[in-house]
Amino acid sequence: DTGVSQDPRHKITKRGQNVTFRCDPISEHNRLYWYRQTLGQGPEFLTYFQNEAQLEKSRLLSDRFSAERPKGSFSTLEIQRTEQGDSAMYLCASSETGGPNTGELFFGEGSRLTVL
Amino acid sequence: AQRVTQPEKLLSVFKGAPVELKCNYSYSGSPELFWYVQYSRQRLQLLLRHISRESIKGFTADLNKGETSFHLKKPFAQEEDSAMYYCALPANQAGTALIFGKGTTLSVSS
Repeated sequence: DTGVSQDPRHKITKRGQNVTFRCDPISEHNRLYWYRQTLGQGPEFLTYFQNEAQLEKSRLLSDRFSAERPKGSFSTLEIQRTEQGDSAMYLCASSETGGPNTGELFFGEGSRLTVL
Repeated sequence: AQRVTQPEKLLSVFKGAPVELKCNYSYSGSPELFWYVQYSRQRLQLLLRHISRESIKGFTADLNKGETSFHLKKPFAQEEDSAMYYCALPANQAGTALIFGKGTTLSVSS
């Protein structure tokens, strides 16, 4: 297992287009997280899955954002009608049961979105 | 609300000098605190967490509940310590996600 993988690594799109990012977590991890990171900021929590259930969503996750984890394995994050303010690095992380309080988050390398 | 503050954006030191990266927090209850590190062109990774009380790569961090701080320290900085450092704690009591500070860039020069 090579760790958390994300695809694509970089996406350039025009304003108004839809984009989708994929995250493959570490296989035995049942928790999966999406974060967003902009320049000069730390990672900001977007949403979290326990297996296939989306258990928590941040207020940062507007209606244009949707995340799924249909079989409790990989996850997708879709952004509809992209805006220039969506330009950021989108990070995926996974962890074992017990979450951050007892375990650590393993991050992917991120998917960088540039909206023109 | 839970909050993490890292007051310094950049800390520049010379090799061999002591390092202290500051982290202050606000949290209802007894938090689990973490330091994550991102080296150049590498992914974000856990450096240490307060519950383990370990020294990792020469770094230690002590939780001071009175001052609500969790500063990261190393007595003698090395050039390979140059990286971005983030302090983090659980977003809520259920511990379902971490919230991160804005990070401090540590630059160690010879």
